[in-house]
Amino acid sequence: GENVEQHPSTLSVQEGDSAVIKCTYSDSASNYFPWYKQELGKGPQLIIDIRSNVGEKKDQRIAVTLNKTAKHFSLHITETQPEDSAVYFCAEPSGGGADGLTFGKGTHLIIQP
Amino acid sequence: DTGVSQDPRHKITKRGQNVTFRCDPISEHNRLYWYRQTLGQGPEFLTYFQNEAQLEKSRLLSDRFSAERPKGSFSTLEIQRTEQGDSAMYLCASSLASTSNTEAFFGQGTRLTVV
Repeated sequence: GENVEQHPSTLSVQEGDSAVIKCTYSDSASNYFPWYKQELGKGPQLIIDIRSNVGEKKDQRIAVTLNKTAKHFSLHITETQPEDSAVYFCAEPSGGGADGLTFGKGTHLIIQP
Repeated sequence: DTGVSQDPRHKITKRGQNVTFRCDPISEHNRLYWYRQTLGQGPEFLTYFQNEAQLEKSRLLSDRFSAERPKGSFSTLEIQRTEQGDSAMYLCASSLASTSNTEAFFGQGTRLTVV
């Protein structure tokens, strides 16, 4: 797809609370949806991904849900900790024969102590 | 080798000069990608290689940009006649893929500043 919309751009939550970041994609043929975490001065780090044949995937405090009908997917972080503070990016395959990823604009997650 | 390695981490150059960046992917990975990231934005796809073959180029990749992966291992990205608009973080990623859409792992990036 050529367009991934990500919301919110900034999210501030109290330590211990949950955080949810949402992305909407345009290409109904997309079948792979990764989430990346990027800390200041570092490259993006893959934290979780989901393929279109499942609706939810969990890894400890992190989960991703996918709604193919509505063409959106969400990142859920529970029991947030200070080290969760970072910029999070969703992505989908660029499509059209390209093997790259199209990224959202990112969400700056701030964990308040 | 525990991850994707990029060199240099930072580069400051004068407008009009040529620069070259290097990326060493995870050793068994056959796919290598280049992205560009500007402040406050997500990474933007530039090009990718499967082994030594360059299979896709984004329209963002102007004629001044060229990428190579001569032996299917490390890759270089060269920018000729740099412009101030080229200032960005250049990210490399690699994946092991027999089909599309597998996990891509990024390096720490090369931050280019054109003055």
